[in-house]
Amino acid sequence: DAKTTQPNSMESNEEEPVHLPCNHSTISGTDYIHWYRQLPSQGPEYVIHGLTSNVNNRMASLAIAEDRKSSTLILHRATLRDAAVYYCTQYTSGTYKYIFGTGTRLKVLA
Amino acid sequence: ETGVTQTPRHLVMGMTNKKSLKCEQHLGHNAMYWYKQSAKKPLELMFVYNFKEQTENNSVPSRFSPECPNSSHLFLHLHTLQPEDSALYLCASSQVGQVADEKLFFGSGTQLSVL
Repeated sequence: DAKTTQPNSMESNEEEPVHLPCNHSTISGTDYIHWYRQLPSQGPEYVIHGLTSNVNNRMASLAIAEDRKSSTLILHRATLRDAAVYYCTQYTSGTYKYIFGTGTRLKVLA
Repeated sequence: ETGVTQTPRHLVMGMTNKKSLKCEQHLGHNAMYWYKQSAKKPLELMFVYNFKEQTENNSVPSRFSPECPNSSHLFLHLHTLQPEDSALYLCASSQVGQVADEKLFFGSGTQLSVL
């Protein structure tokens, strides 16, 4: 079965960059890599996604390894509001299946 | 109102009760999902509806019964649940058809406790 693996937790200082890693060694050629984050008492929210190339948006950047077996979510300047659980997800196009991992709990220190 | 709205936010029920969870999306999406989130476990996909037709039933016990009357509303009917069914139940929607831009939009969830 498809599976993503992430560290259970990470810490970062406020206003410093954060690199959140994810392994998805069973990813197929057409699977997209999505990242979501879940703030306390809320449902997950979309952060960013990509297929092969690195991607940037206003929230974060996504760096995808050349073999696509891993990716890294980059928060350029962490703020206290970025404290959340970050989920790396494989999306198999055409199947409606988003495979979530157990997530990384990010703690941001003031 | 915008986004995905779930009601109620919290629900406590006994094992013999019947209750329903409601989800409404105001995004014009054509697919809706039910996910279960238990402590320290990955999100589990339960059901998917596309254009009101069920496309996924992820081996969910029959005590969970979904209903999708139209593309904006999704229900999860609950009956004779077990304590291990206590979890956060999340509804999500997406616009299926443009693969490169498909993504999930989640509601805030219903925190269910079964006594």
